[in-house]
Amino acid sequence: GQSLEQPSEVTAVEGAIVQINCTYQTSGFYGLSWYQQHDGGAPTFLSYNALDGLEETGRFSSFLSRSDSYGYLLLQELQMKDSASYFCAVGDDYKLSFGAGTTVTVRA
Amino acid sequence: NAGVTQTPKFRVLKTGQSMTLLCAQDMNHEYMYWYRQDPGMGLRLIHYSVGEGTTAKGEVPDGYNVSRLKKQNFLLGLESAAPSQTSVYFCASSYSDRGEVTNTEAFFGQGTRLTVV
Repeated sequence: GQSLEQPSEVTAVEGAIVQINCTYQTSGFYGLSWYQQHDGGAPTFLSYNALDGLEETGRFSSFLSRSDSYGYLLLQELQMKDSASYFCAVGDDYKLSFGAGTTVTVRA
Repeated sequence: NAGVTQTPKFRVLKTGQSMTLLCAQDMNHEYMYWYRQDPGMGLRLIHYSVGEGTTAKGEVPDGYNVSRLKKQNFLLGLESAAPSQTSVYFCASSYSDRGEVTNTEAFFGQGTRLTVV
């Protein structure tokens, strides 16, 4: 099976940088993805890492180390609209499995 | 282009009743998934499908059945609803690249909020 661990919540101020770590255990591995979800709405895709290294998409970056079964999502220049839940997900044997999510609260 | 559409959006069931949740996607995606989301537990995979006519169990399949008779539709059935099935249900779809599992981006529906009383 699969298991993913990420912190349950993070609080930061506007303009700050937040890093959300994700460690995973899986029998197969096809990449680590990150999703954002606002207040019970539909999760939306943020980024994907299939290979080791850093992927940058605007203010958000994602990192993967396959040897350490570890990745992180970096949120820079935090804005109030970034308050949401963030999920890491692994693709494994045709399945897409999610972590429990990290609630990010941005304070003014 | 509607993406992934779930019906209904809300439903209240009595214990023991049955219902079917419909998921439809218009992106010609091979893979489709059903998840349930409960507070503090993230998205848990119920069942998934890698193509028309195929289904497989996820991590919490008990009490649910699914069918994928057409590529664009993925149905989730509750034969005898229980209060423990009160949850928000999300359907998602994703594509594959030349037969490889990429799972690069999954597209989600808006969810079905189900309450079983």
